Amino acid sequence: AQKITQTQPGMFVQKKEAVTLDCTYDTSDPSYGLFWYKQPSSGEMIFLIYQGSYDQQNATEGRYSLNFQKARKSANLVISASQLGDSAMYFCAMRDLMRGGSEKLVFGKGTKLTVNP
Amino acid sequence: EAQVTQNPRYLITVTGKKLTVTCSQNMNHEYMSWYRQDPGLGLRQIYYSMNVEVTDKGDVPEGYKVSRKEKRNFPLILESPSPNQTSLYFCASSFGNTIYFGEGSWLTVV
Repeated sequence: AQKITQTQPGMFVQKKEAVTLDCTYDTSDPSYGLFWYKQPSSGEMIFLIYQGSYDQQNATEGRYSLNFQKARKSANLVISASQLGDSAMYFCAMRDLMRGGSEKLVFGKGTKLTVNP
Repeated sequence: EAQVTQNPRYLITVTGKKLTVTCSQNMNHEYMSWYRQDPGLGLRQIYYSMNVEVTDKGDVPEGYKVSRKEKRNFPLILESPSPNQTSLYFCASSFGNTIYFGEGSWLTVV
């Protein structure tokens, strides 16, 4: 079964600095997709970035980039130039494709990021 | 604008009183699903639907029902809610590598 591990329950960063949130995954499938979501205190799940297992380059979306190391099975999220509004829970997820075409997202437990002024 | 809309956003209800959480998407996606989020357990899939009239159980389906009579709507039905169904619920709609979540529905069963 697929599994996502986020080992940092909480992280702190100063405003304007960069921060890396760790994510490791376990799968035997050669084809998979990795997602990062942001969940502010209001509760909604905001899509940040996606990395496919066959993508040649690391994904980037504005201040978000994904440090994808396939051999190590890690997909760390890097947030550059942190802002106070980045304070939130961050979830790493993997898409689990099942027989018959069904799918689900398998989520890690999340990392709570706090940006200090 | 791509949207997944859930209602209600917040609800406090009593044990045994049937309720429905609606979910609607405007992207013509075939695949929709429901998740619940609980502290320490993360998000878990309740039910999913691959297309109209095609639904199946996820990891935690007990106590829930769904229906998919039209592509845009995928309601979650709690026939007889119990306190252990107090949770934050998310509807999701997806196509390929794009997965959109609704804003979440905070449900409390007392």
